[in-house]
Amino acid sequence: DQQVKQNSPSLSVQEGRISILNCDYTNSMFDYFLWYKKYPAEGPTFLISISSIKDKNEDGRFTVFLNKSAKHLSLHIVPSQPGDSAVYFCAASESGGSQGNLIFGKGTKLSVKP
Amino acid sequence: GAGVSQSPRYKVAKRGQDVALRCDPISGHVSLFWYQQALGQGPEFLTYFQNEAQLDKSGLPSDRFFAERPEGSVSTLKIQRTQQEDSAVYLCASGASGIYNEQFFGPGTRLTVL
Repeated sequence: DQQVKQNSPSLSVQEGRISILNCDYTNSMFDYFLWYKKYPAEGPTFLISISSIKDKNEDGRFTVFLNKSAKHLSLHIVPSQPGDSAVYFCAASESGGSQGNLIFGKGTKLSVKP
Repeated sequence: GAGVSQSPRYKVAKRGQDVALRCDPISGHVSLFWYQQALGQGPEFLTYFQNEAQLDKSGLPSDRFFAERPEGSVSTLKIQRTQQEDSAVYLCASGASGIYNEQFFGPGTRLTVL
């Protein structure tokens, strides 16, 4: 049973527009959420995170929104650029991740078209 | 280099062979994680070290999988008597100590068992 779900395997967006990637989770004990970006043949690269005490975190073109009641988070990329084309993974952990392991979704492949 | 490195990048093994995968974490990082990523899936947790102590090995799929980090730095993941279902990318990640667990990933080792 997947605890972190990314229901859209792929997303295609025009350059300059907004990309919205969604993630749902089932474990109410999760209190730290991260987004990773992955290019082919490379390891995941940390993008942005949010703790459960916040509902929004912004870093440049990237904003993550957290809706705890709905157990839903989303990543907004504005404006989207062709270099953003990659697979995006949502991940979650419990208790601030002090034990360590992240639970990942299956990923969403974003394609940004020029 | 400043990042996490893994070797070899690619490994082809015949079924029944033993393999050893190496991870060099970011210098000074206390935490080290191993994940397994099957094709089309997100990374799945295997095991976690804090310095040289293996604090969680709940994700190791069988007793054929063994990990060590004897001096609290470099780690080796060993798979004995490899089977076809072991074919995956094995990712290593390291993190500094602290409440929020941002993990930095290496490029991974792609293992193919024939």
